[in-house]
Amino acid sequence: NAGVMQNPRHLVRRRGQEARLRCSPVKGHSHVYWYRQLPEEGLKFMVYLQKENIIDESGMPKERFSAEFPKEGPSILRIQQVVRGDSAAYFCASSPPQPGQPQHFGDGTRLSIL
Amino acid sequence: DQQVKQNSPSLSVQEGRISILNCDYTNSMFDYFLWYKKYPAEGPTFLISISSIKDKNEDGRFTVFLNKSAKHLSLHIVPSQPGDSAVYFCAASLAGGTSYGKLTFGQGTILTVHP
Repeated sequence: NAGVMQNPRHLVRRRGQEARLRCSPVKGHSHVYWYRQLPEEGLKFMVYLQKENIIDESGMPKERFSAEFPKEGPSILRIQQVVRGDSAAYFCASSPPQPGQPQHFGDGTRLSIL
Repeated sequence: DQQVKQNSPSLSVQEGRISILNCDYTNSMFDYFLWYKKYPAEGPTFLISISSIKDKNEDGRFTVFLNKSAKHLSLHIVPSQPGDSAVYFCAASLAGGTSYGKLTFGQGTILTVHP
């Protein structure tokens, strides 16, 4: 899928644990996005980041969720004290800085909460 | 508030015929529209896009039509092939500012192309 790498592909956590999802964008892409897909639904925007900056986090739950895209290394979506409702597929996408360029998606991390 | 809607959950088409997938939106500020295809256990794959200054964009077997007055877009696939069987999502984004990157997706339409 156009070079966006997400890991792990599957993650199982017990309620109350932390989940860390990683995303390496396409080489040369400086914009990273995270989306969540609940069963039988479309993708919902969570957060849009550029290197070391959060540009738009209007889709992020106010508590327990955070995201970063450091100067070096992958983007991280962190979910603290996970609950059953966090079970979903989490997709990362990246795009180059030019406007009007499509986002390219990774294959997602499927998070299951026991 | 579902700003992008795909009202047909599924569509079944014979191989070789045309597939038409529809999408409606409510936010007149959307100015960039995309179609993605998704197979199970994979991420969405970009197919084709259209800017609001155009009413048609074509790429091989895929054509997207945009009717701004009706706030409606459609994806035509012709001829349809069994490998086109997948979930198709339309998505839209807003112009300018920090919202440019945010895509709003429809719920998806499952396309099945029968041999």
